[in-house]
Amino acid sequence: DAGVTQSPTHLIKTRGQHVTLRCSPISGHKSVSWYQQVLGQGPQFIFQYYEKEERGRGNFPDRFSARQFPNYSSELNVNALLLGDSALYLCASSPRQPNTEAFFGQGTRLTVV
Amino acid sequence: QQQVKQSPQSLIVQKGGISIINCAYENTAFDYFPWYQQFPGKGPALLIAIRPDVSEKKEGRFTISFNKSAKQFSLHIMDSQPGDSATYFCAAVNYGGSQGNLIFGKGTKLSVKP
Repeated sequence: DAGVTQSPTHLIKTRGQHVTLRCSPISGHKSVSWYQQVLGQGPQFIFQYYEKEERGRGNFPDRFSARQFPNYSSELNVNALLLGDSALYLCASSPRQPNTEAFFGQGTRLTVV
Repeated sequence: QQQVKQSPQSLIVQKGGISIINCAYENTAFDYFPWYQQFPGKGPALLIAIRPDVSEKKEGRFTISFNKSAKQFSLHIMDSQPGDSATYFCAAVNYGGSQGNLIFGKGTKLSVKP
């Protein structure tokens, strides 16, 4: 019984580069959300998708974008990476919207150097 | 602007003791309050949750107490064990709103000493 899977688990990028993070939700879950967790802080909401449509966006710059595919998997893209983008990026899936009963993946640890 | 305030930042408890973590919220539209447990290198895992029409919810050694008038809720961990050592996050969500994202507190790092 697979949970939320994210790839890659760790990533090192250089300032100015672009990164794509991937998430596969729990089977049957149609809602995917992305959160950024800086060390020592709680997760902060970036995007929410439900049935392939964006349903919410947090207070993040336009360098951040995402999409959800017909199989409900999702990608988070970040352009022009800054040192401050270094964080654990978490994907959460829910069977429905709103994001109650959210189940998180193990995250992707992004380090920008 | 932080919508969910969590305290304390860190907590040390002896094995068998009671761990208490408190949270306060500002937005009265919040109507679902989950607690998450996070171990190092892992994503947060849902521990227990409560809706504001209930003042208390208990699941095993974990209890949420909810005070709607004070806009506060707390997590009690009874008979705390070393395996409970983790970071705990309270969260809130507006279930009836158009955007159902979780708003998290800053977390409490719990250490249970044997």
